[in-house]
Amino acid sequence: GENVEQHPSTLSVQEGDSAVIKCTYSDSASNYFPWYKQELGKRPQLIIDIRSNVGEKKDQRIAVTLNKTAKHFSLHITETQPEDSAVYFCAASIQGIKAAGNKLTFGGGTRVLVKP
Amino acid sequence: NAGVTQTPKFQVLKTGQSMTLQCAQDMNHEYMSWYRQDPGMGLRLIHYSVGAGITDQGEVPNGYNVSRSTTEDFPLRLLSAAPSQTSVYFCASSRTGWVKETQYFGPGTRLLVL
Repeated sequence: GENVEQHPSTLSVQEGDSAVIKCTYSDSASNYFPWYKQELGKRPQLIIDIRSNVGEKKDQRIAVTLNKTAKHFSLHITETQPEDSAVYFCAASIQGIKAAGNKLTFGGGTRVLVKP
Repeated sequence: NAGVTQTPKFQVLKTGQSMTLQCAQDMNHEYMSWYRQDPGMGLRLIHYSVGAGITDQGEVPNGYNVSRSTTEDFPLRLLSAAPSQTSVYFCASSRTGWVKETQYFGPGTRLLVL
């Protein structure tokens, strides 16, 4: 089955700096890569996603890049703010096969701390 | 809409006890799933359902049963709880299960098995 590895496990940045989280996946059939943000004691919430036919996607201060050849994808947060402090999870899924469902395989998470 | 709801929020069980974690959604979503979240391990898929009457196993199904008799509800049953099942359980749903769809997570159930 799919295996997703995520690095680093913790990341401390100064407010205003950029943060980068990297993930690798094992199944070349995976074609959908969402990122979730989870604040302490809260549920995971989708912040951005990318499909395999796209190399990069941006949404304000957040961007995701995908390299299908190398099977890795990254989350970039620019101009970090204290409210960006949370645990971030990457995930991979195979979309388009109903029997497969929307099964997400998650990375282990990155705890991001933005210091004022 | 209430979205995805889960009950209870917190539960303590003794080893060997059984219980059902409830999950409901009011968005008419076809796809529902259960994940468990352990420290440092992200979320792992337990069971999922692509529609009423259809369920399948995920990555870590042992010790858990599910059924999907209605579109709205997807309960998770622990038949004989074990300390290894101490975790936070999240239910999630999406409009369909086979194209890119945002998965909406419930608030979670924190389970402690003594």
